[in-house]
Amino acid sequence: EPEVTQTPSHQVTQMGQEVILRCVPISNHLYFYWYRQILGQKVEFLVSFYNNEISEKSEIFDDQFSVERPDGSNFTLKIRSTKLEDSAMYFCASSGRGNTEAFFGQGTRLTVV
Amino acid sequence: KQEVTQIPAALSVPEGENLVLNCSFTDSAIYNLQWFRQDPGKGLTSLLLIQSSQREQTSGRLNASLDKSSGRSTLYIAASQPGDSATYLCAANAGGTSYGKLTFGQGTILTVHP
Repeated sequence: EPEVTQTPSHQVTQMGQEVILRCVPISNHLYFYWYRQILGQKVEFLVSFYNNEISEKSEIFDDQFSVERPDGSNFTLKIRSTKLEDSAMYFCASSGRGNTEAFFGQGTRLTVV
Repeated sequence: KQEVTQIPAALSVPEGENLVLNCSFTDSAIYNLQWFRQDPGKGLTSLLLIQSSQREQTSGRLNASLDKSSGRSTLYIAASQPGDSATYLCAANAGGTSYGKLTFGQGTILTVHP
């Protein structure tokens, strides 16, 4: 069964460093998303991406964040200069045309120290 | 701004019981509503998607209903099993210019004991 895959599963980084979280969405999907979940809190929307551009972004998604679809298969989230409060589980999701059922990856646990 | 609330926050039941998880949302202009399961430290598994024009969806022992006008959805789990123990999340999809953007509730932690 097709699935969304994310790498790495866990990343530890020092405050101020750049990190890139990687995702491979389901192959025929057109809409891509990043969400995050701080420990013990709700899952929060970060950004949606369609047709090679950002469709919508939340207040959380400031200038420190960027997304990219560098080729036909990968979708990345970059955090330019990490802060302690960026520590969270980051989920990638994708959905297809005409069917917004979202399929989520297993997440990348980012720990900023 | 859409707000999604889930009740109860936690539920502990003996195996075999039928149970209902509740989800409410403040903005009834949703495109659809999705129920997920989350195991500890893991990703989100889609369980059911209900379109705004539908009243309910069924998958195996799971049945989800949607009442847009009252801003409510329920997830019914029949004959619960210990393997059903997980956190259950509902998420409302705004649609329109926010196509695909999901607003999540805080989840119901379900424990089914043998």
